[in-house]
This record gives sequence, structure tokens and C-alpha cells, in this order.
Amino acid sequence: EPEVTQTPSHQVTQMGQEVILRCVPISNHLYFYWYRQILGQKVEFLVSFYNNEISEKSEIFDDQFSVERPDGSNFTLKIRSTKLEDSAMYFCASRGTGDYGNTIYFGEGSWLTVV
Amino acid sequence: AQTVTQSQPEMSVQEAETVTLSCTYDTSESDYYLFWYKQPPSRQMILVIRQEAYKQQNATENRFSVNFQKAAKSFSLKISDSQLGDAAMYFCAYRKSGSARQLTFGSGTQLTVLP
Repeated sequence: EPEVTQTPSHQVTQMGQEVILRCVPISNHLYFYWYRQILGQKVEFLVSFYNNEISEKSEIFDDQFSVERPDGSNFTLKIRSTKLEDSAMYFCASRGTGDYGNTIYFGEGSWLTVV
Repeated sequence: AQTVTQSQPEMSVQEAETVTLSCTYDTSESDYYLFWYKQPPSRQMILVIRQEAYKQQNATENRFSVNFQKAAKSFSLKISDSQLGDAAMYFCAYRKSGSARQLTFGSGTQLTVLP
């Protein structure tokens, strides 16, 4: 069964460093998303991406965040200068179209620890 | 703005018994989708079941079924014949119909299955 894959599964970084989280969405999906989940809290929407541009973003997705689809398969989230409060699980997700396009499928997450 | 409320932070059920997890939501839209996702200790987000708001028939997936009450804006999940592997955090989520619309999650219900 097709799945969303994310790398790395866990990353520890120093405060102020740049981090890039990578995702390979399900092939032929057209909508891509990043969510985050701070430990013990609910899952929060960060950004959605379609047709090579951001469709929606939340108030969390400020100037330190950026997304990119550098080629036909990868979808990345960059955090420019990490803060302690960026420590969270980051989920990539994707969605297709048609009858099965109503469901957003999630990757296994990338756990980011900022020290 | 849409909100999703899960009023039960924790639930427990005896193995082989049935449990119902509650979810209510607030929206002014008529066309939307509702989902239950399961998050085991591995923290992966796994789709359990989905419901289209335009369908009156309640969705079922094997041991999982929902009670969708559109007028009451209620969407509960029933797990029959509970198994130890059902132990997880369960999130109710809402998505407005339309292109790149993202999910709005509830705060989750931690389900414990007792042997």
C-alpha cells in the first residue's frame, strides 16, 4: 500500500540551527501538508501546498518556516533558526483527488528536539 | 472557525468489550468530512474511518463504526470486540470540503484496553 515517508525519524539540533525535514508524499497525490504535534498536545496545521505554491498557512507558519518541492517527489519543511519551542513531532501528509481524494494520509513523523 | 471537541481525555475498556468515543464539532458548512485517526505509541497517525457529511449512512470498517448525527454535530466512534492493539490515542478530525483544505483535530482520547 502506498505510504508517505519522512526522514529523518528523529533529529536533535542546537537552538539557532537550520533544520530540513524531508517527505516523499504518495505518488500521484497533488496536495501536501505539514502538521506538528508538541508532546502531549493536539495536532496543529502548519501549511498546505498545491501546484507548487502555498495554499493555506496557519499563524504558526511564520517567516522562520518555508516549504519547497525541489523535484517531482520530495516535499521539504525548512526551519531557519530553530527555537526550543519548535521541539515537536512534525507530520507530512498528502491527499489525492477523486473518490479517494477526501482523505489525508500521514507519514510516520519526524521528531525534532531542539536543545 | 471550525472547532472539534473531544470531551473524554481518557477511556478504558475491557478486552472483547465495546467502547464509544465521543466527538462534537462546530461548523456552519454543510459539505465536509469527518475522520477518526489512531495514534499508537509509535506516534504514527493512522486513519481508522471516515464519514462524508452528505451521506446519511454511518460508516463502518470491520470492528469500527461511527454514529454520525449531523444536526447535533456529533461524530462518535464505536469499537467493538476491543483488542489490546486498539490501545492508542484517538483523534477526531474535521475537514471542510474543497481543494487544499486542511484537517482540524480534536484534543484526543487516550484509550486503554485492559486484558
